[in-house]
Amino acid sequence: GENVEQHPSTLSVQEGDSAVIKCTYSDSASNYFPWYKQELGKGPQLIIDIRSNVGEKKDQRIAVTLNKTAKHFSLHITETQPEDSAVYFCAASNPLSGTDKLIFGTGTRLQVFP
Amino acid sequence: DAGVIQSPRHEVTEMGQEVTLRCKPISGHDYLFWYRQTMMRGLELLIYFNNNVPIDDSGMPEDRFSAKMPNASFSTLKIQPSEPRDSAVYFCASSSEGQGIYGYTFGSGTRLTVV
Repeated sequence: GENVEQHPSTLSVQEGDSAVIKCTYSDSASNYFPWYKQELGKGPQLIIDIRSNVGEKKDQRIAVTLNKTAKHFSLHITETQPEDSAVYFCAASNPLSGTDKLIFGTGTRLQVFP
Repeated sequence: DAGVIQSPRHEVTEMGQEVTLRCKPISGHDYLFWYRQTMMRGLELLIYFNNNVPIDDSGMPEDRFSAKMPNASFSTLKIQPSEPRDSAVYFCASSSEGQGIYGYTFGSGTRLTVV
């Protein structure tokens, strides 16, 4: 089955700096890669996703890149702000396999210091 | 839409008692997932349903756990009898692959404490 590894487990940056979180996956058939942000006391919230027919996707200050050959994908947050502080999860799935089951990474706790 | 609604938000119970967690998915979503989150194990998929039918329950820890989805707008996760190691945050999520919405929408979770 699919296995998703995520690094680093914690990340501290100064406000305005960039943050990068990396994930690798094991199942080459996976073709959908979402990222979730979880704030304290809340459920994970989808912030951006990418499908395997695209190498990069950007939405304002966040971007995701995908390298299918190496089986890794990354979340990039530019011009970080204190409100970006949260736990971020990557995930992978193969929706066309007939399951729709997301496998999550272990999470990265991002702290943005003013 | 009000999103995925879970109840209760917090539950404290004594070991051995029965616990029932409830979830109302987003209207029209055909997939429903139950996850458990702990510091040690992260987000674990317990079971998921498609069109009210359980598809994969391989993540259910043991026979003390059971889940039902009697209709498209309601699901329950029951633990009987509960044990201290069941303490965790339990999330329900829904999605709609049929609409090309592969990303999940999570509820706010139920924080369960078994003493």
